[in-house]
Amino acid sequence: DAGVIQSPRHEVTEMGQEVTLRCKPISGHDYLFWYRQTMMRGLELLIYFNNNVPIDDSGMPEDRFSAKMPNASFSTLKIQPSEPRDSAVYFCATRRTGVGEQYFGPGTRLTVT
Amino acid sequence: KNEVEQSPQNLTAQEGEFITINCSYSVGISALHWLQQHPGGGIVSLFMLSSGKKKHGRLIATINIQEKHSSLHITASHPRDSAVYICAVGRTSYDKVIFGPGTSLSVIP
Repeated sequence: DAGVIQSPRHEVTEMGQEVTLRCKPISGHDYLFWYRQTMMRGLELLIYFNNNVPIDDSGMPEDRFSAKMPNASFSTLKIQPSEPRDSAVYFCATRRTGVGEQYFGPGTRLTVT
Repeated sequence: KNEVEQSPQNLTAQEGEFITINCSYSVGISALHWLQQHPGGGIVSLFMLSSGKKKHGRLIATINIQEKHSSLHITASHPRDSAVYICAVGRTSYDKVIFGPGTSLSVIP
């Protein structure tokens, strides 16, 4: 299995631009988590899905952030408009029901200038 | 007070030393995870445990549910063990995990 796939691996954009991060979960994993990691705040959960349905989005910082999971093979995290404080590494992780261990993607390093 | 705390925050050790990283938490949990993150790298799950002890190679993880405490031990440490080690807890009846702040370990040859 290829593991959790994220794209792009690096993204540099200007303030105000729309940013879309993508995640392909491991086949058969029915939970998908989006995390953000910064030096100041460490790892934070933004949102998670179960069977493509958003379960908890209380970690989404504000309305500029949105996430979708149109099918079991794909999820997106969108920031519109982006701001410099959104600069961070964004991780996607997935797991299977009944198995607590999460598998992390390689992350997307986002820089907003 | 953070729900998950780790100590020490930073740790430097000589190659070959026995290392202990501690994690304490204040919430009810269904499981505790230890994760490893190398500099500039991704995150790898090392252990998931809800009781007792688990061992994988030179790594040992223990948990004491009553005391709400877990330890990660590394025996015969090696420079390639240099990484950030993160403790995370899965709360009872919830699917999401709460992360500790991480312990940055540097093993010097």
